[in-house]
Amino acid sequence: GAVVSQHPSWVICKSGTSVKIECRSLDFQATTMFWYRQFPKQSLMLMATSNEGSKATYEQGVEKDKFLINHASLTLSTLTVTSAHPEDSSFYICSAMDTQSYNEQFFGPGTRLTVL
Amino acid sequence: DAKTTQPPSMDCAEGRAANLPCNHSTISGNEYVYWYRQIHSQGPQYIIHGLKNNETNEMASLIITEDRKSSTLILPHATLRDTAVYYCIVTGGATNKLIFGTGTLLAVQP
Repeated sequence: GAVVSQHPSWVICKSGTSVKIECRSLDFQATTMFWYRQFPKQSLMLMATSNEGSKATYEQGVEKDKFLINHASLTLSTLTVTSAHPEDSSFYICSAMDTQSYNEQFFGPGTRLTVL
Repeated sequence: DAKTTQPPSMDCAEGRAANLPCNHSTISGNEYVYWYRQIHSQGPQYIIHGLKNNETNEMASLIITEDRKSSTLILPHATLRDTAVYYCIVTGGATNKLIFGTGTLLAVQP
């Protein structure tokens, strides 16, 4: 089956710094990727839709200047959490849509961000 | 907001069938029913999806009622490794966005 990777799998950073998370589709091309965040014991919340070669579409309430998304190639999307604060600590998960497989979405393993 | 309603939790004995219900009474004609599951601290895993016909794959079966207002995911022989949160999601159209509800925590008991 299709594989999506995320890097890093976990990261700890100081408050005020920026953190970049990568999402890669390893064996298929994805013109569309999605970014989610998940707080402990809660469901996944869709943050934004990442489209290759164009600007991301953010869900209501998500600050686009804080969560920068770049989808520069058909296999890579990045999420940068700028000026991170402790309340940004969360589990960030990406998914990639495989247009060759009925638009099925395949999820990455997630990135655990802890901001001190 | 999620368009589906699921029970918050269910138990199932190992080796028995697990039947997970989902209500989606406002589903539109072009929307699909997808099922994903999430094992603790991992990314969601695709299980199955359907439009109106019943579907079966190596993991599970999906039974959709004739009026499409509800569905049931069936794991025929549950194992301990099937313990997870199961999400029923209705999606379709141009965006293909998956809006996750609260899901059902399935606990498979030995």
